[in-house]
Amino acid sequence: EPEVTQTPSHQVTQMGQEVILRCVPISNHLYFYWYRQILGQKVEFLVSFYNNEISEKSEIFDDQFSVERPDGSNFTLKIRSTKLEDSAMYFCASSEGNRLASTDTQYFGPGTRLTVL
Amino acid sequence: AQSVSQHNHHVILSEAASLELGCNYSYGGTVNLFWYVQYPGQHLQLLLKYFSGDPLVKGIKGFEAEFIKSKFSFNLRKPSVQWSDTAEYFCAVRDDKIIFGKGTRLHILP
Repeated sequence: EPEVTQTPSHQVTQMGQEVILRCVPISNHLYFYWYRQILGQKVEFLVSFYNNEISEKSEIFDDQFSVERPDGSNFTLKIRSTKLEDSAMYFCASSEGNRLASTDTQYFGPGTRLTVL
Repeated sequence: AQSVSQHNHHVILSEAASLELGCNYSYGGTVNLFWYVQYPGQHLQLLLKYFSGDPLVKGIKGFEAEFIKSKFSFNLRKPSVQWSDTAEYFCAVRDDKIIFGKGTRLHILP
């Protein structure tokens, strides 16, 4: 069964450094998402992406964050200057992209644990 | 704003006990409801989903959930839990993006 994959599984960085988290969505999916889960808290939506542009973003997704689909398979989340509070598990998800279809389901990757020191 | 609330933050049961995890949502439109499970050290997996039709939904691993529109609820049930069901369970509603509840950590004693 096809899966969403993410690399790296764990990223440790110094405060102020840039990080890029990578995701490979399921190949025939058209909608891509990033979520994050701070330790002990619920999973929160960050951004959705369709047709090479952001379709929706949350308040969390400020100017420090950006997303990109640099080629036909990868979907990346970049944090320009990391802060301590960016430490979290970041999940990528993808769906077939029929947004209005009641059967659209998002499939999640295993996550990247980001630790900002 | 849409929201999901899960009443139980931490549940401890013995093997073979019956399970019911509560979930209520607030959303005025047509709801798509989900239960996701996160086993220790693993990623979120879809357990079951409700879009329309029969309000009693059967998922993987013997789980089921019942959509009760009048109560805005979508409780997760399993008649007899196993040690391997130890995980965190998230109720969620879809409004393009997924809105998750805070999760219920389930611990099954062997």
